[in-house]
Amino acid sequence: GESVGLHLPTLSVQEGDNSIINCAYSNSASDYFIWYKQESGKGPQFIIDIRSNMDKRQGQRVTVLLNKTVKHLSLQIAATQPGDSAVYFCAENYGSARQLTFGSGTQLTVLP
Amino acid sequence: KAGVTQTPRYLIKTRGQQVTLSCSPISGHRSVSWYQQTPGQGLQFLFEYFSETQRNKGNFPGRFSGRQFSNSRSEMNVSTLELGDSALYLCASSLKGLAGGGTGELFFGEGSRLTVL
Repeated sequence: GESVGLHLPTLSVQEGDNSIINCAYSNSASDYFIWYKQESGKGPQFIIDIRSNMDKRQGQRVTVLLNKTVKHLSLQIAATQPGDSAVYFCAENYGSARQLTFGSGTQLTVLP
Repeated sequence: KAGVTQTPRYLIKTRGQQVTLSCSPISGHRSVSWYQQTPGQGLQFLFEYFSETQRNKGNFPGRFSGRQFSNSRSEMNVSTLELGDSALYLCASSLKGLAGGGTGELFFGEGSRLTVL
């Protein structure tokens, strides 16, 4: 994922709109990707995962897209709700590491 | 079903001291992982335990250690604390863990916030 210092990238969307959160990964050997959501004062919560042999996977109101050519991952949230306000992390596993490497996160704020 | 429980939730220590943090995983989960979360470095993997054995380790100095008990409960210890160890320490459990052929769906606790003065 991107390297960000003390300030997270931010995304503000109107309630009811769709959100797209992006993540760039650096290791072409990464074979498994996950999105997590972290609300203030809580631990991260699993949203959806995707393996490198897929380019799209859908869940409830969420879709993850994987573009291996440009090493890019995105999370689309349909009809964004106030409860979606949180920091979103992408995470990757590469090869035999079998441990997750997390990106720096994106702060999503849903406006009323 | 009860979630992952971490204790203590908050603690303050001074440089040079040591600290022990505890994690009770979800019942039936045998894999326990620990992460350090800071504003500057984000979420970083410390280590993973499965069936009382350390199965994977991140890039942290030897001052950071852990163990897992037969009931899957885990503790991590940080010795000779430094100011830079101030962080939120997160524990996560899963049935098998990635190294055991499971998914990356980890169940995180709310963390132990350590402040080193």
